[in-house]
Amino acid sequence: AQSVTQLGSHVSVSEGALVLLRCNYSSSVPPYLFWYVQYPNQGLQLLLKYTTGATLVKGINGFEAEFKKSETSFHLTKPSAHMSDAAEYFCAVSGKSGGYQKVTFGTGTKLQVIP
Amino acid sequence: NAGVTQTPKFQVLKTGQSMTLQCAQDMNHNSMYWYRQDPGMGLRLIYYSASEGTTDKGEVPNGYNVSRLNKREFSLRLESAAPSQTSVYFCASSTGTSGRPSSYEQYFGPGTRLTVT
Repeated sequence: AQSVTQLGSHVSVSEGALVLLRCNYSSSVPPYLFWYVQYPNQGLQLLLKYTTGATLVKGINGFEAEFKKSETSFHLTKPSAHMSDAAEYFCAVSGKSGGYQKVTFGTGTKLQVIP
Repeated sequence: NAGVTQTPKFQVLKTGQSMTLQCAQDMNHNSMYWYRQDPGMGLRLIYYSASEGTTDKGEVPNGYNVSRLNKREFSLRLESAAPSQTSVYFCASSTGTSGRPSSYEQYFGPGTRLTVT
């Protein structure tokens, strides 16, 4: 069985400060990992993904994440927060389960950016 | 491209009423999904359709039925709505469920906010 744990349902940072959103996963097979962002009253949009290859992946809006197999982590970072980054962020893991590619989402982290 | 579209955007039902949520995608994707989103619980898979002509239960299928009408459309039906089905419903699609990892990325619609009183 696969699972995703996002530490912290709410994170507050000052504008210009480092953003760090934590995600740990469990998976019995090599995982594919995703971060999605959800702005208020909208659907989810893909921010970045790790499938194979380079463990540091860059996404849209200056975000990046590093896949660390030994720590089963896929934390999301951005060097300098912007007001427009205020949103809810979901980590997800994808792996084969019962013949189909199952995607399991974390419970989400709401990011507040303080001016 | 419109991507994934959902109708309606909002709906209020009384307990016991029925309704169908519509979803369509114009990206020629094989796989489609229905999720519900509740505070503090993330997204939970209700049903999915790996390809046209097939549907399977997800994590929380009770009280719902689905129809994969064709490759583009995947509808979700509530036969007898209950207050526990008050939620935001999202439809998503992806190119496939096997093969290249890039096919696992999901594209989401804007959601339907459903309230059952």
